[in-house]
Amino acid sequence: NAGVMQNPRHLVRRRGQEARLRCSPMKGHSHVYWYRQLPEEGLKFMVYLQKENIIDESGMPKERFSAEFPKEGPSILRIQQVVRGDSAAYFCASSSRPRGPNTEAFFGQGTRLTVV
Amino acid sequence: QKEVEQNSGPLSVPEGAIASLNCTYSDRGSQSFFWYRQYSGKSPELIMFIYSNGDKEDGRFTAQLNKASQYVSLLIRDSQPSDSATYLCAVPSTTGNKLTFGGGTRVLVKP
Repeated sequence: NAGVMQNPRHLVRRRGQEARLRCSPMKGHSHVYWYRQLPEEGLKFMVYLQKENIIDESGMPKERFSAEFPKEGPSILRIQQVVRGDSAAYFCASSSRPRGPNTEAFFGQGTRLTVV
Repeated sequence: QKEVEQNSGPLSVPEGAIASLNCTYSDRGSQSFFWYRQYSGKSPELIMFIYSNGDKEDGRFTAQLNKASQYVSLLIRDSQPSDSATYLCAVPSTTGNKLTFGGGTRVLVKP
């Protein structure tokens, strides 16, 4: 959905560098979800955030990955010391209320991270 | 057993035919189910969701849910070449915090 804005669309990093992925949710949405899609695989949940709070980070790797959603500005997914296995498409989704059984979440266009 | 399973395909159907996609899930407590379409290199796009047993129709798409058998299906009637994409089945967690996706079924509609 065009309303969820992610940037950059494509990001190339050398091994060991840091990657910062940004997500601006749809207007009026305060719930953000990050998913990762490895090549030829399905989407995997990473983290769910509300403004200034991490609600569920059960899908986040224990090391090198962090996420935030500050009071002002976009949500940031940060990957430190990237490795080639981090190469994937990272999608952000947002919703207007906490996810429930029937709550829709709209996806951004994704950031495609390539680690060389 | 994976939480959400789909046949990876490709499912090849001639233009104008019905494409039938299946998805099985392991959590009997699951209440609702989402179908997303994803074109190559693009983001997932919500097609429809269903939460009651039976059929739900939206245009050329029909979702069918059978909670007793733990499967949900998607039918695409009058398939068009523009329907060629990967279709993802997704199930919300009981807390609602996340969607668990199947691996997707790739559909090829041949003119």
